[in-house]
Amino acid sequence: DVKVTQSSRYLVKRTGEKVFLECVQDMDHENMFWYRQDPGLGLRLIYFSYDVKMKEKGDIPEGYSVSREKKERFSLILESASTNQTSMYLCASSAPANTEAFFGQGTRLTVV
Amino acid sequence: AQRVTQPEKLLSVFKGAPVELKCNYSYSGSPELFWYVQYSRQRLQLLLRHISRESIKGFTADLNKGETSFHLKKPFAQEEDSAMYYCALLPSGGYQKVTFGTGTKLQVIP
Repeated sequence: DVKVTQSSRYLVKRTGEKVFLECVQDMDHENMFWYRQDPGLGLRLIYFSYDVKMKEKGDIPEGYSVSREKKERFSLILESASTNQTSMYLCASSAPANTEAFFGQGTRLTVV
Repeated sequence: AQRVTQPEKLLSVFKGAPVELKCNYSYSGSPELFWYVQYSRQRLQLLLRHISRESIKGFTADLNKGETSFHLKKPFAQEEDSAMYYCALLPSGGYQKVTFGTGTKLQVIP
């Protein structure tokens, strides 16, 4: 059974904190993605990576950064959390030969 | 840049009624189109893609390049179809950056 695992289901952080969201996949996929999911706005791509140490900005990268030191792990970093970053964050992975994206269970982040 | 539009935020139908979830896209090339589904408390998962031309759980979707549409259809809705549905587009060539629509919540009324 293919798996994308996000380290936390729920997180509550204070404004200004540095936040790390971790994602691990066990499918040896080259591509990994971070989305945020908001009602009425759908899924918006924050960053994606097509290889280790490679990253590309998505549609809404402001206030976020990412790290991909190993193929199976893709981290999303909020340098200084703000209340407008309260959201559901979804990680996904895919292989170049198979365009289906596999999603994690999501992390609901609340910034207070 | 590509764009995916799902005009309905909420679609309510009675059990046994036909369902059509609308999706329109804008992209200059030949994209690959998908429908993803998210059931309550479950992760987002692929429902179907246009290149497979298959029916999954009774759902079908036909790519209409002339109208740039990829509507999802099912002749008879079931209660278990209630979920959030997202249309998605993958551009041809280049990096695999998928663009999602805003989603339609399907509510099947018993």
